[in-house]
Amino acid sequence: NAGVMQNPRHLVRRRGQEARLRCSPMKGHSHVYWYRQLPEEGLKFMVYLQKENIIDESGMPKERFSAEFPKEGPSILRIQQVVRGDSAAYFCASSKTPTDTQYFGPGTRLTVL
Amino acid sequence: GQQVMQIPQYQHVQEGEDFTTYCNSSTTLSNIQWYKQRPGGHPVFLIQLVKSGEVKKQKRLTFQFGEAKKNSSLHITATQTTDVGTYFCAGPLQGAQKLVFGQGTRLTINP
Repeated sequence: NAGVMQNPRHLVRRRGQEARLRCSPMKGHSHVYWYRQLPEEGLKFMVYLQKENIIDESGMPKERFSAEFPKEGPSILRIQQVVRGDSAAYFCASSKTPTDTQYFGPGTRLTVL
Repeated sequence: GQQVMQIPQYQHVQEGEDFTTYCNSSTTLSNIQWYKQRPGGHPVFLIQLVKSGEVKKQKRLTFQFGEAKKNSSLHITATQTTDVGTYFCAGPLQGAQKLVFGQGTRLTINP
């Protein structure tokens, strides 16, 4: 059973470009979570999605950030017009139920030049 | 608001010394989970505790869930360099509809 997959693993963007991060949850998991982690800091919750629905986006910046989890295909975290402060590791996790164990992907390391 | 707090934020020990991290919730938890993140890696699930007063062991790691189900601890006996990393606790806070993670305790070890 493949784990949570994220791609790309590393992404370099120039200021003003768009970043698209993809996450495929574990098989049988319909709950997906996105976290941001700055170097040497903790996990900052961004958004929680179920298939085709955003359940909780309380951690998402109001502008430039969006997330989706379509009926078919991976969950996407999209950052428009990236700035240097967006440089971070972005982790995706999935679970069977909202309070069940979360399984994390390897993360996408975003660097904004 | 409802929170999960972890202390200490950082801990540096000599190899062979013991280490403990504490997790406290503002509300009662139905369960508490612990995760470990190695440097450069991603969080990995370690264990889940469900019952009041529950104690579980994994080799040199001992996990406890408080009687009131509002706090938990992770104790490592005789640390080794492989224990280096950040340890997170997480719990499903009432009404939160998801796990809430503590800030983590970052453990570094002097060999």
